[in-house]
Amino acid sequence: QVQLQESGPGLMKPSETLSLTCTVSGGSITSYYWTWIRQPPGKGLEWIGYIYYSGSTNYNPSLKSRVTISVDTSKNQFSLKLRSVTAADTAVYFCARGAYHFDYWGQGSLVTVSS
Amino acid sequence: DIQMTQSPSSLSASVGDRVTITCRASQSISNYLNWYQQKSGKAPKLLIYSASSLQSGVPSRFSGSGSGTDFALTISSLQPEDFATYYCQQSYGTPRSFGQGTKLEIK
Repeated sequence: QVQLQESGPGLMKPSETLSLTCTVSGGSITSYYWTWIRQPPGKGLEWIGYIYYSGSTNYNPSLKSRVTISVDTSKNQFSLKLRSVTAADTAVYFCARGAYHFDYWGQGSLVTVSS
Repeated sequence: DIQMTQSPSSLSASVGDRVTITCRASQSISNYLNWYQQKSGKAPKLLIYSASSLQSGVPSRFSGSGSGTDFALTISSLQPEDFATYYCQQSYGTPRSFGQGTKLEIK
């Protein structure tokens, strides 16, 4: 059974760079797309972007100038970096498998941006 | 960008009821439409992909229909564990986008 687990900072200050890692277990990261999605508290879901195991990426234009998604196949991990965070970036960040539909999800990592 | 609009935003129903949630896309998306269930504090769970294909392990009381711009998720006989928030999501183009959600509550 494929499992995904996010790890990240929890609390951040404005202008810092958010870094999250998703570790995939129970299956290989190769031959799949991997996605980041976020959900502000009490709100809906926002797609951030995806990466193929080979490294090709596709980002949401609303975040593209601040986002980088990378993959480390040797560790079965992929990562999200979001630069210059503000309070508006406060959300639960989910990692998921897939580019079209998302069949496996992590449990989510709450990131709070506050001074 | 493709906008997804769900209706209703909230719905009260009873165990055993038949319930339908609708989702409309701002342009034709063929059958590139997926449905998720999210319970409080949990990650979304994939129910239906490609408009009408049931994800493995999902009960057969869930079904999806539609193509083009109009889609529906139907639960044939509500069970207590079905009370949750439901989201549609288009996978026709990027950026991928979700509906605003439909909260299904117990009457």
